Amino acid sequence: GEDVEQSLFLSVREGDSSVINCTYTDSSSTYLYWYKQEPGAGLQLLTYIFSNMDMKQDQRLTVLLNKKDKHLSLRIADTQTGDSAIYFCAAASPVGSSNTGKLIFGQGTTLQVKP
Amino acid sequence: GAVVSQHPSRVICKSGTSVKIECRSLDFQATTMFWYRQFPKQSLMLMATSNEGSKATYEQGVEKDKFLINHASLTLSTLTVTSAHPEDSSFYICSAARLDTDTQYFGPGTRLTVL
Repeated sequence: GEDVEQSLFLSVREGDSSVINCTYTDSSSTYLYWYKQEPGAGLQLLTYIFSNMDMKQDQRLTVLLNKKDKHLSLRIADTQTGDSAIYFCAAASPVGSSNTGKLIFGQGTTLQVKP
Repeated sequence: GAVVSQHPSRVICKSGTSVKIECRSLDFQATTMFWYRQFPKQSLMLMATSNEGSKATYEQGVEKDKFLINHASLTLSTLTVTSAHPEDSSFYICSAARLDTDTQYFGPGTRLTVL
């Protein structure tokens, strides 16, 4: 089955760029997502990329997908202290007529932003 | 748009009792909802897929008689933890799949503590 891996921790200074990396194993994954979780809260969808795309930019967020290497990254430009949270990448495998299907999550990367 | 609510947000119960958690999509219809469980400092583990009008599909290792799922309408799914034990204490998060965007949106989670 699908396996999604992330590095566990990243520390950056405020104003720097953050890059969070993720690898997955199932080449049939259709969508790849990035979620943000703050302490004691649910998950907030940040962005997603369809598997036939290489890059997607949304304001301060840039997602890069290397489908050949099954590598996904999330770049946060001008990182702020409010960006401190756990970031999960997730790979979706199709189920029935839905491309969303089942999400398999990575372990989460804790982003620490120092003032 | 795409708001998912959960109720209650926090519940404490005695061992042996049953607890019901509700998941609602507030501004869209969801034929499919998912239930996840998250242990402290760990990733989300999919427990089951809930389909409106049919039986839920449980992941391997999840007891369907212990975690009862009912998807009564296109906006409501419930998870009942029956005869709860302290090891059932966890953070339970639901998500609802929005058909028009084929994206899962997550609820804020329910913290269950079994004494």
